[in-house]
Amino acid sequence: DAGITQSPRHKVTETGTPVTLRCHQTENHRYMYWYRQDPGHGLRLIHYSYGVKDTDKGEVSDGYSVSRSKTEDFLLTLESATSSQTSVYFCAISGFGAYEQYFGPGTRLTVT
Amino acid sequence: DAKTTQPNSMESNEEEPVHLPCNHSTISGTDYIHWYRQLPSQGPEYVIHGLTSNVNNRMASLAIAEDRKSSTLILHRATLRDAAVYYCILRDAGNEKLTFGTGTRLTIIP
Repeated sequence: DAGITQSPRHKVTETGTPVTLRCHQTENHRYMYWYRQDPGHGLRLIHYSYGVKDTDKGEVSDGYSVSRSKTEDFLLTLESATSSQTSVYFCAISGFGAYEQYFGPGTRLTVT
Repeated sequence: DAKTTQPNSMESNEEEPVHLPCNHSTISGTDYIHWYRQLPSQGPEYVIHGLTSNVNNRMASLAIAEDRKSSTLILHRATLRDAAVYYCILRDAGNEKLTFGTGTRLTIIP
């Protein structure tokens, strides 16, 4: 299994509070991604990174920011959580020129 | 991005082959066909991918129509562990991103 961990695995927070989710990899892969998954939907890309300090928006980036200060860590921040951000969040990694993405175990976030 | 169409759900008996269809009539010449699956309570995992020719690996086979407007993922002998949601995804050769649809939920009957 690819070395990807996500923390925390579960979190309950209140509306309006900031939340940061962490994705950590031990594979030294160039690309890192954050997705969210909601009932009735496949995974939707929030943000991705193609190198340290290099990030770009995905299809559902509003309300989220990301940072990547070192190769192994990709942080997803909800500046002010809303109930619509209740979801399961998956991190993924892939190498340069690679054809597959490896996914982490997910973080279940509940915003009350 | 070109879209894919998959049945919402399918059932198959254990130890029998399973054919999961995917239509992608607007596929472009540089789109690869990727399949991922998501087991319950897990992140997706890569299954197989191809461009034009049929492909085999230890998990499955991918049969691609000659006009590339459809493809079929073949599980040769389904086990209970193959129960999952299977996603067919088109990925342009120069694009590092994946666009997931809603996939096919495969149920394996013991």
